[in-house]
Amino acid sequence: AQSVAQPEDQVNVAEGNPLTVKCTYSVSGNPYLFWYVQYPNRGLQFLLKYITGDNLVKGSYGFEAEFNKSQTSFHLKKPSALVSDSALYFCAGGSGNTGKLIFGQGTTLQVKP
Amino acid sequence: NAGVTQTPKFQVLKTGQSMTLQCAQDMNHNSMYWYRQDPGMGLRLIYYSASEGTTDKGEVPNGYNVSRLNKREFSLRLESAAPSQTSVYFCASMRARTLYNEQFFGPGTRLTVL
Repeated sequence: AQSVAQPEDQVNVAEGNPLTVKCTYSVSGNPYLFWYVQYPNRGLQFLLKYITGDNLVKGSYGFEAEFNKSQTSFHLKKPSALVSDSALYFCAGGSGNTGKLIFGQGTTLQVKP
Repeated sequence: NAGVTQTPKFQVLKTGQSMTLQCAQDMNHNSMYWYRQDPGMGLRLIYYSASEGTTDKGEVPNGYNVSRLNKREFSLRLESAAPSQTSVYFCASMRARTLYNEQFFGPGTRLTVL
């Protein structure tokens, strides 16, 4: 069965420090991987995606993610965290042409001043 | 562009009552999706419509029905609500079924079943 896992329920980081939110996947075939962010009482917003090509993907708001095929990981990173980055982050993956995504359980990012 | 809109924003039902959640998108997208979000479980796909005129079951379809009314609208119906259906429901749309494209989400409907 295909799955996406986010091993940390919550990540705490000080403002200005680098942040990493972890994601691992088990998807058959060539995976398509996404990161979404959810602010309180809002829908999910797209951050970035990996389809093919360069393993380092850059997205919105200074976020980037690194696709690592050997470790089946797609960790979200940012060099310098902002308090406004505090939100719930979802990793999602899929394969083929179904358009169906499998979501991880979400990681709450808390950035403290 | 309103994007993806959902109505209502909040709803409280009693066990056994029925209701329909409405979703509409104005981006001329072909594919539409209904998810439920429960704490610690991420988003789970209920039903999806790859294109107008087609619907398919997702991961958790039991207790739900859907209608793709036209290209813009995709509704989710609970025929006989149960407390286990207390959740936040999100509608999403995507330009085409291929996973090259990202999904766009509505603001959600918070449903409580007593």
